[in-house]
Parts: sequence; structure tokens; C-alpha cells
Amino acid sequence: AQSVTQLDSQVPVFEEAPVELRCNYSSSVSVYLFWYVQYPNQGLQLLLKYLSGSTLVKGINGFEAEFNKSQTSFHLRKPSVHISDTAEYFCAVSAHSSNTGKLIFGQGTTLQVKP
Amino acid sequence: DTAVSQTPKYLVTQMGNDKSIKCEQNLGHDTMYWYKQDSKKFLKIMFSYNNKELIINETVPNRFSPKSPDKAHLNLHINSLELGDSAVYFCASSQGGSGSYNEQFFGPGTRLTVL
Repeated sequence: AQSVTQLDSQVPVFEEAPVELRCNYSSSVSVYLFWYVQYPNQGLQLLLKYLSGSTLVKGINGFEAEFNKSQTSFHLRKPSVHISDTAEYFCAVSAHSSNTGKLIFGQGTTLQVKP
Repeated sequence: DTAVSQTPKYLVTQMGNDKSIKCEQNLGHDTMYWYKQDSKKFLKIMFSYNNKELIINETVPNRFSPKSPDKAHLNLHINSLELGDSAVYFCASSQGGSGSYNEQFFGPGTRLTVL
């Protein structure tokens, strides 16, 4: 079984500051890793995903994430945030061996960007 | 064009009633999902269909019954609604039947309130 822990429920940050949203996972099998974003009153949208290869993954809107297998982490970063980045961010995993597409989500992190 | 659409967007009903939520995707995807997002924004998968075949059925009360008339539609019927069913329900779809690495595209959600 897999589980995902997002270490911060809320992250307040000022506009143009850097931000890191932390994600750790637990799994007995290899996993794919995802970050999704949910803007207010909307559905989720994929930011980026790690499948294999380079551990640094770049996504949309200037976000990137780094997969660290030894620390079972997949932290999301952005060097300079905008007001429009205010949203809920979800880290998720799915097992390599799964053929169902089942995603296990973390609890979410609310990013609040202040002017 | 909306990729994944859900109707209705809001649903307010009394305990004990039966209600349905409809989902349609025009992306040509083979797999569709239903997720439940509770008041703490935690997302959990409920069901998944691949080409009209049920492939994920999590520990959901049997008052919830998904129906897939074709691979572009996945509806959710809920019998004997309870207060605890109040949540936001998201439909999603992804390409391919065997890819746990595929991006899932989410609908805008249906906010169900049971009084």
C-alpha cells in the first residue's frame, strides 16, 4: 500500500518570494509521482509528474520538483511566486505495478500568496 | 470546449433521497474515475471504469452505484443519502487502460449538500 504525507497544511508567502511545498511518500513498490493544483472552485490540474530518468522535473507555471528516492520525497518548488499561484496543491502517487491508474493523494497544502 | 464536464455543479437535497451526478468527457479517453473530496479537502478515489468495465471499487457503501453507458460517460447514483455524503465529487478521465502514469483530467466538481 502507498501513502502520501504533505508536511505543511498551509504555506503563507509574499509575492515574488520562493516557495517549497513538501511531500513525502511511503511505498513498498516503485511509484510514479505527481503534483496537482486546485484553484478555488475548480477541478484539479496536473502541474508535473515524475516517471523515470532525471530526478528534477519541470512543470507548468514555473514549478519544478525533485525526486529523492533515499528520502522518499518529491518536494515542489517555485523560485518566485505570483498572487495567481494561490491555490491548493496535492502530491499524489500511483504504483508502477498498478494498471488501474489509482492515485493516492496527500492531504493537500494551501499556498497563500500575499501582496 | 469543456474536456470533462459534470452536472449539476451544486446539489442540495434531503436525507434519504436518491440523486445522480452525470459526467461526460470529450477527450476520447478510455478510463474514467469518481473521487470524493471531503470538507478537509482530502481526495479519495471511489470508482474507476475502463471501457465501461469497473476496474476500481474502493470501500464505498453500496448506496453508491456508478454507471457507464459508454466510455465517454460515467454517472454516479447515490441512494438513501446521508449527512456524511456531503462533499465535493470529482469526475476525471485518463487515456489508456493500463497506464498508472497517465495524467488525469478533472471535471469542475459537484458540491453535494445533504440536509
